[in-house]
Formats: sequence, structure tokens, C-alpha cells
Amino acid sequence: DAGVTQSPTHLIKTRGQQVTLRCSPKSGHDTVSWYQQALGQGPQFIFQYYEEEERQRGNFPDRFSGHQFPNYSSELNVNALLLGDSALYLCASSLEAQWTEAFFGQGTRLTVV
Amino acid sequence: DQQVKQNSPSLSVQEGRISILNCDYTNSMFDYFLWYKKYPAEGPTFLISISSIKDKNEDGRFTVFLNKSAKHLSLHIVPSQPGDSAVYFCAASRNSGNTPLVFGKGTRLSVIA
Repeated sequence: DAGVTQSPTHLIKTRGQQVTLRCSPKSGHDTVSWYQQALGQGPQFIFQYYEEEERQRGNFPDRFSGHQFPNYSSELNVNALLLGDSALYLCASSLEAQWTEAFFGQGTRLTVV
Repeated sequence: DQQVKQNSPSLSVQEGRISILNCDYTNSMFDYFLWYKKYPAEGPTFLISISSIKDKNEDGRFTVFLNKSAKHLSLHIVPSQPGDSAVYFCAASRNSGNTPLVFGKGTRLSVIA
């Protein structure tokens, strides 16, 4: 069982650019949640995808968007990158839109310069 | 507005002794609480949880205590081992865990051999 896998592990982008992060959920899981962890902070909920739809959304601007594919994998897209978007982006997968039985990936470290 | 607070950024404990990590919350609607452990370059891993209908939950060396009136929970690790050295996050949820997790900033535990 590969668990939750995220790609890439590290990424450097320039202000104003766009970025796409990817997540493959744990085998058997159908729900993907995305979190942003800024330096020295705890993970902050961005949104959750279930049945290919955004089910819930945290307090993030529309520059943050996502997608879930029929195989349950997911993408997080961030447009018009700001320096403040530099963070570790974590993907968590779970079953049937649960929150508390989630498994996290190792994260993608995004640096915006 | 920090709804989940971990006021100790770091904690050092001697191997074999008890580690006590503390967490306070402000939202009285939270009714499900979790602790996650995070090693560098890895995603958070679930450690232990507690529902608000209980005041204690135990799993091996790990025990979580919940004081609802004080809006306070703590994680006890006994005995502490060097492998326990990690960042510990407290998280909370509403509706019996059916809402996004709200995380604290974390406490870095160092267990010294």
C-alpha cells in the first residue's frame, strides 16, 4: 500500500506564476483534502474534494482551486502566486468524506521568489 | 483568531520520563479532538483522539485527557522514548468530527537519551 503520494516534493516558482500540485490518495480512499502549512504554523484547511466536487472550503481566495479525477486523485492549483503562498502543502485522503480518519502525504514544499 | 492554541513551541524531556503536551481551544462547539505527530519531511500521522463525551482515552504509552470546562486537553507520553522526538499537533473538529480539522501551531518535543 503506497499510502498518500504527492508530487513534486519541492518546487520553486516566481511571483505571479501559476502552480499545480498533485495528490494520489491511499488505496481505497475516495476523498481528498488539501491543507497549507506555513512556517511555524499548523496545517490550515483549504478545501475537500469528494465525488469529483468541492465539498467544503476554508478561508482561502479564489486563486486557490482544485480538481478531483474519476480515479480519486486530485490537483491543487494556485494562480497569481504571492510570496505569502510559500508553504508546505499537504494532501490528506480519507473514506466517504470523513475528516478524522485521514492519512496525510509527505507534502509539497512550495517556495515563491 | 487562533481557535486551537498550543502555547509551548518546544519541550525537552529526559528519556523514560513523562512528556506532557498541552492544548487549549476557544470554540465550545468543538467536540472531537485529535493529536498528530510529524517527523521532518513526512506528513502528520494520527496518534490518538478523544470525543467530548469522554475525559480520557488511552493507547499504549499515549493518553489524552480532556477538560471540557477548561477547554483544555493534554497528551501524556509515558515513558518517553527518543523516537518520540517530533512535532505534535493538536486538532479539533465539530459535529462529532464531521467538519474540517482546525490545527494548533504544534509543539516540538525533544526526548533526550
